[in-house]
Amino acid sequence: GNSVTQMEGPVTLSEEAFLTINCTYTATGYPSLFWYVQYPGEGLQLLLKATKADDKGSNKGFEATYRKETTSFHLEKGSVQVSDSAVYFCALKETSYDKVIFGPGTSLSVIP
Amino acid sequence: GAVVSQHPSRVICKSGTSVKIECRSLDFQATTMFWYRQFPKQSLMLMATSNEGSKATYEQGVEKDKFLINHASLTLSTLTVTSAHPEDSSFYICSARDRTVDQPQHFGDGTRLSIL
Repeated sequence: GNSVTQMEGPVTLSEEAFLTINCTYTATGYPSLFWYVQYPGEGLQLLLKATKADDKGSNKGFEATYRKETTSFHLEKGSVQVSDSAVYFCALKETSYDKVIFGPGTSLSVIP
Repeated sequence: GAVVSQHPSRVICKSGTSVKIECRSLDFQATTMFWYRQFPKQSLMLMATSNEGSKATYEQGVEKDKFLINHASLTLSTLTVTSAHPEDSSFYICSARDRTVDQPQHFGDGTRLSIL
């Protein structure tokens, strides 16, 4: 079945450090891929998305490229801020279905 | 942008009572809404898919009689936790998708349910 795997956290970085959160997926067909962010006590917010191979999603300095050959969608940011502290979820959605499958989430803490 | 409103944000009640959570799409019509449950420091678990004007589709292992879902209009779905017990305490999140365009789901801010 379809699934999403993420690197285990928690991840702790100093401010202005480079961030990578790995995400790989298993799916039939050609899913859309997403990164969602959840701040403490809140719901999920869409951070970025990519709908086909080689697409790059970007938002607020975060980027992720849809790599079909490696079935990956790694999240990167060149310089993290304290305000980026949150839980990040990688997710996929099959084209034919509305159901979104989430990875386990990766907690990020950025310290000054 | 699209907004999904979830109410209440937090509820505390006694064991045995029923609790209703509302999920509204504020500026778009949502044929389908989704209800998730999230345990502390864990990912979202899809509970059910709510379809406007028809019965909800529940995921395996989710009790239909415990978690009643009603999707009476294109902008409102409700989840009622019936005869709630402490083990039902959790963070419940709804999401909705604009039916007119191919868009990802938009999420509500969640409801923190605590059963005493």
